[in-house]
Amino acid sequence: QVQLVQSGAEVKKPGASVKVSCKASGYTLSSYAMHWVRQAPGQRLEWVGWIYAGNGDTQYSQKLQGRVTITTDKSASTVYMELTSLTSEDSAIYYCARNVAGTGWYDPWGQGTLVTVSS
Amino acid sequence: ETVLTQSPGTLSLSPGERATLSCRASQNIGNNRFAWYQQKPGQAPRVLIYHVSNKATGIPDRFSGSGSGTEFNLTISRLEPEDSAVYFCQQYDGSFSFGPGTKVDI
Repeated sequence: QVQLVQSGAEVKKPGASVKVSCKASGYTLSSYAMHWVRQAPGQRLEWVGWIYAGNGDTQYSQKLQGRVTITTDKSASTVYMELTSLTSEDSAIYYCARNVAGTGWYDPWGQGTLVTVSS
Repeated sequence: ETVLTQSPGTLSLSPGERATLSCRASQNIGNNRFAWYQQKPGQAPRVLIYHVSNKATGIPDRFSGSGSGTEFNLTISRLEPEDSAVYFCQQYDGSFSFGPGTKVDI
């Protein structure tokens, strides 16, 4: 079945970078866009960006533009989300989620990766 | 950016009762680009409804979605204990944004 498995929790210091992975199985990565969404404690879900693995096209949230990069390794069926210049406001659970048929709703989601930014 | 507002914040009901959750958008959402998700503690969200009223695969018939424009509803016709969760709405009409969620306690 279609499954997304993310890398484990990370603890980073302010100013550092983090790279979270999302390994897809059960389908062809190149055929779908993969989105990243984050959820800070007590906050609503926030869209981070997406990549279409077929041609490498990306789009990022204006808020995070310049600090976020989403890439793929098609040979490993894995998508990566890197966020630089971390602050405490970046502490959140980061989810990857497959975009269905180029629309905008997501199925399935990865299990989430907790990123904690603390000095 | 389209801002989504959900009501109520919390809903406490008994098994077998009917739940109606609302989501209001700050601007018109076109092409039915609207979805509902369920999230249980410690779990990733799961899609329930997409394109306003289409049930995702494996979602029980007691879940249904309706609405248009700026007003949308999720109805759970006969609550079961396993429906205790946070439900949040999403629009994907040119941008992507989510509501703050409604917690359903059963």
